[in-house]
Amino acid sequence: GESVGLHLPTLSVQEGDNSIINCAYSNSASDYFIWYKQESGKGPQFIIDIRSNMDKRQGQRVTVLLNKTVKHLSLQIAATQPGDSAVYFCAESISGNTPLVFGKGTRLSVIA
Amino acid sequence: KAGVTQTPRYLIKTRGQQVTLSCSPISGHRSVSWYQQTPGQGLQFLFEYFSETQRNKGNFPGRFSGRQFSNSRSEMNVSTLELGDSALYLCASSLGATGGAGYTFGSGTRLTVV
Repeated sequence: GESVGLHLPTLSVQEGDNSIINCAYSNSASDYFIWYKQESGKGPQFIIDIRSNMDKRQGQRVTVLLNKTVKHLSLQIAATQPGDSAVYFCAESISGNTPLVFGKGTRLSVIA
Repeated sequence: KAGVTQTPRYLIKTRGQQVTLSCSPISGHRSVSWYQQTPGQGLQFLFEYFSETQRNKGNFPGRFSGRQFSNSRSEMNVSTLELGDSALYLCASSLGATGGAGYTFGSGTRLTVV
């Protein structure tokens, strides 16, 4: 498959464990944030989003936490599965009206 | 429904040549954005088109250009290719929002410049 990031930090977790992927965003004016998952040979796929009027948002097996004070986002994946192995990106925007600015990404490797 | 379609999937070009990449958005989507993805720089915004007009532009040299047709299909062109242009070029479409959750990405075109 295609390599989407040779220089990415890697997080290795055991199948069934919870994963936490962190992201620091750059623009204090950003108020809309998205997490994407990118598998080899594919484009980024939307996972979950959050607006700055929230600190936490939950989806199916995923939770995003937002700390505006330190400009930090995290993505928590519960009961990590082999299919979760991918590169994860956070992205920021201003009111969803400016082009997305992506973080560098984290490679998640699930050990069966 | 059909997703975002990018053609070709793979392309090899020689330095100095030019290249045109194509993106067909999801039916009904009027906004098309292009991103360049490289191992060193990650995902970087190139430009966005909405209703045949460039709405936003990233920080890339003038060798990178694009256009959108009346059916919302978009093309991007890179002239005078350099080795550093080797990358995965991703297209994303949405109904109208620029940076919203409505973005759907295609699988990209892998361009290799030799």
